[in-house]
Amino acid sequence: AQSVTQLDSQVPVFEEAPVELRCNYSSSVSVYLFWYVQYPNQGLQLLLKYLSGSTLVKGINGFEAEFNKSQTSFHLRKPSVHISDTAEYFCAVLQAAGGTSYGKLTFGQGTILTVHP
Amino acid sequence: NAGVTQTPKFRILKIGQSMTLQCTQDMNHNYMYWYRQDPGMGLKLIYYSVGAGITDKGEVPNGYNVSRSTTEDFPLRLELAAPSQTSVYFCASRVERWAQHFGDGTRLSIL
Repeated sequence: AQSVTQLDSQVPVFEEAPVELRCNYSSSVSVYLFWYVQYPNQGLQLLLKYLSGSTLVKGINGFEAEFNKSQTSFHLRKPSVHISDTAEYFCAVLQAAGGTSYGKLTFGQGTILTVHP
Repeated sequence: NAGVTQTPKFRILKIGQSMTLQCTQDMNHNYMYWYRQDPGMGLKLIYYSVGAGITDKGEVPNGYNVSRSTTEDFPLRLELAAPSQTSVYFCASRVERWAQHFGDGTRLSIL
């Protein structure tokens, strides 16, 4: 079984400040990792994904995340946030292949990012 | 290209009523999923399907049923609505490249 923990339920930050949203996961097998963003009254939109290769992945809207296998983390960062980044962010893991969890995403509880002017 | 379309967007049901949440995708994706989202709980998988005619239970399947007669459609059925099923329901689909595409959700209240 796999699980995802987002360490902060809410993160307030001022506009143009940097932000980090933390995500830790546990799994007995290799995983793929994702960050999704959800704006109010909308579905989830993919921000970025880690499948293999470089541990630093870049996504849309200036976000990036770093996969750290030894710490089982996949933290999301942005060097300078905008008001429009206010949303809920979800970290998710997917078992890479095989087993009973194949194809099923496991989500964290979500982090609400609020950007203040 | 509409992506994943969910209907209705909002619905209020009485306890014990039944209804079907519709989900259609036009991307020819094999995999489809139903999630429910409750505040502070993230998304929980209800059912999923790896192709037409094949479905399987997720984490929270009790009180729900699904069918997958075509690649495009994956309806979710509530037979006897209960207050605990008040939630926002999301349908998603994907191909082998792992990223799931989500619909805009159905907000369901059971009173």
